[in-house]
Amino acid sequence: DAGVIQSPRHEVTEMGQEVTLRCKPISGHDYLFWYRQTMMRGLELLIYFNNNVPIDDSGMPEDRFSAKMPNASFSTLKIQPSEPRDSAVYFCASSNRGLAGYNEQFFGPGTRLTVL
Amino acid sequence: QKEVEQDPGPLSVPEGAIVSLNCTYSNSAFQYFMWYRQYSRKGPELLMYTYSSGNKEDGRFTAQVDKSSKYISLFIRDSQPSDSATYLCAMNSGGYQKVTFGTGTKLQVIP
Repeated sequence: DAGVIQSPRHEVTEMGQEVTLRCKPISGHDYLFWYRQTMMRGLELLIYFNNNVPIDDSGMPEDRFSAKMPNASFSTLKIQPSEPRDSAVYFCASSNRGLAGYNEQFFGPGTRLTVL
Repeated sequence: QKEVEQDPGPLSVPEGAIVSLNCTYSNSAFQYFMWYRQYSRKGPELLMYTYSSGNKEDGRFTAQVDKSSKYISLFIRDSQPSDSATYLCAMNSGGYQKVTFGTGTKLQVIP
C-alpha cells in the first residue's frame, strides 16, 4: 500500500486566497483525521471522520475552515479566506478500527502551508 | 492547562547514552499510552504503545506508565544517531476515542 497520500506537499499563497488540501487515506481504513502542527502548539486535531461522517469538529479553529469526505478514498480541508496565522504543516492520518483498543494512526507526509 | 504536557527540548546526547523522555497528563480517563516518532519533514509513526500502568520493552526502547502519578516515560538505551527525531507522547481513553498528543520532544544523538 502507498500509505496516506497528501497533496500538495507545499503550498505558498497570499492572505485572503482559498486553500484546498487533499488527502487519500489507506484503503480499508474507516477513520480519517486532519491535524495541524506548529512549533508553538504542537499537533492539534482539527476534525475526524468515521465512515465518511464527521464525528468531532471541535478543533476546527474558525468558520474559515471546512472539511469534507465525499467518499472513503478522498477528503479535503479548505481554508477560505486564508490568513498568515494559518501557516503550519497540515497532516492527514487514517486508521482502522481493529481488535486493538489503542488507536494507531497512519500519517501522511503533510502539507506545508505558508500564507504571506 | 493542556491535557498533556511534554518538554519540547531540544535534548542533545552523545551516541550510546540512555535517553529519558517524559510526559505528564491530567485526564484520569486515559488508558492507552503511545509514543510516536517523527523524523524531520515526515509524518509521525507509532513507535510503542502501553495499556494502563506498567512497563513495555521493545529492543532498545522501554515505555513506562505510572497512572497514579499521571506520568509516562520512554527510555532509549544505547542511543544511535538514527534515533534523532521528535518524539510525541499520545494517549486516549480507549473505545476508539480521539487521541491527544503532546507537543513533542526533539532529540539529537551526536555521533
